[in-house]
Amino acid sequence: QKEVEQDPGPLSVPEGAIVSLNCTYSNSAFQYFMWYRQYSRKGPELLMYTYSSGNKEDGRFTAQVDKSSKYISLFIRDSQPSDSATYLCAMSARGGGADGLTFGKGTHLIIQP
Amino acid sequence: SAVISQKPSRDICQRGTSLTIQCQVDSQVTMMFWYRQQPGQSLTLIATANQGSEATYESGFVIDKFPISRPNLTFSTLTVSNMSPEDSSIYLCSVSREGEQYFGPGTRLTVT
Repeated sequence: QKEVEQDPGPLSVPEGAIVSLNCTYSNSAFQYFMWYRQYSRKGPELLMYTYSSGNKEDGRFTAQVDKSSKYISLFIRDSQPSDSATYLCAMSARGGGADGLTFGKGTHLIIQP
Repeated sequence: SAVISQKPSRDICQRGTSLTIQCQVDSQVTMMFWYRQQPGQSLTLIATANQGSEATYESGFVIDKFPISRPNLTFSTLTVSNMSPEDSSIYLCSVSREGEQYFGPGTRLTVT
């Protein structure tokens, strides 16, 4: 079993839909959770950073962490064609950027105009 | 955030040769990381590079294959040595700033 599981997709939804992206993990030591967006031939861009369980909202994006289920989610509201990209979940045991990150494989998201 | 540049952006190399990838960040950082992104695979940490100390390598990666330098707080290099086609990948530099990690644009390496 890989440490972080993420459905690679592709996930195709119409413009304006709510998108739900998810990851599961096995290592209970993970405390810090991130979502990155990666456009083709670009480096990953940090979208959301959360600590422990709970929700965090930033504009159209909401990150949820459920440590009891070892399950994290990213919701995108009012999705736009410009949201089409690969979304990577990442996590670490220590915060403060002290550790390298463990990533999922990424979900390829397509927003249809 | 952080502004990170990498050189070269891409290269095609012959097996058995070595390539050095440069990573430059816009201001001083303590922690720098090197990752590999192979097709269809997760981003995988190769090593952590702190200025003034030896790099720390993850399981499956060794210094002889991936030597790293960190001469100052804004610069690092990763060398991919004695390359084989299996080393074809995207190599990414990352820095830690204010607790968050930011990535460079990557170096796309093809080994023939």
